[in-house]
Amino acid sequence: GEDVEQSLFLSVREGDSSVINCTYTDSSSTYLYWYKQEPGAGLQLLTYIFSNMDMKQDQRLTVLLNKKDKHLSLRIADTQTGDSAIYFCAESIPGGGNKLTFGTGTQLKVEL
Amino acid sequence: DTGVSQNPRHKITKRGQNVTFRCDPISEHNRLYWYRQTLGQGPEFLTYFQNEAQLEKSRLLSDRFSAERPKGSFSTLEIQRTEQGDSAMYLCASSLASGGANEQFFGPGTRLTVL
Repeated sequence: GEDVEQSLFLSVREGDSSVINCTYTDSSSTYLYWYKQEPGAGLQLLTYIFSNMDMKQDQRLTVLLNKKDKHLSLRIADTQTGDSAIYFCAESIPGGGNKLTFGTGTQLKVEL
Repeated sequence: DTGVSQNPRHKITKRGQNVTFRCDPISEHNRLYWYRQTLGQGPEFLTYFQNEAQLEKSRLLSDRFSAERPKGSFSTLEIQRTEQGDSAMYLCASSLASGGANEQFFGPGTRLTVL
């Protein structure tokens, strides 16, 4: 079955890098996504990576994918207080309309 | 450029009542998804449409739930005879089906509280 796991909390100091980790179980995933959710709000798509890539960089965000270990990470460089939110990884399985299976989310707290 | 919109943003109802939510997707998007999110959890897939056709329903979608997308544009999600366990955030997303990443863009959600 599909299962996506994340650690629940991460606390970092402003200006440091944050690394949020995710493991997934379905090896047929084609795309993996990172979403950000602020309190009371919907989900904002941050970035995604295709399964045949091992790294993608987009400004302050770096996504690393280890397909062998089914491990995905999101690195946020120079973390700011505005980055405080819940971060979800999600996988998309081919077929079935590419519905997303989400992890439980990692709450990132950025301290001054 | 307008994103995905959902109405109402909040709904409080008594157990046993019917509720209906609306989602307006990004205008050129042909796929529309409904997800449910409970406190402390990630969103869970409920159903999706490609144009006006409902192509998949999750087993989470009991027979009290019905979704429509009559003209392939906006969609409604109705819950009949609401139960306290239906309390959740209901999220709508839309995408443009292609051979690529099929990025899904989410609306702000409708928070349902069943008393």
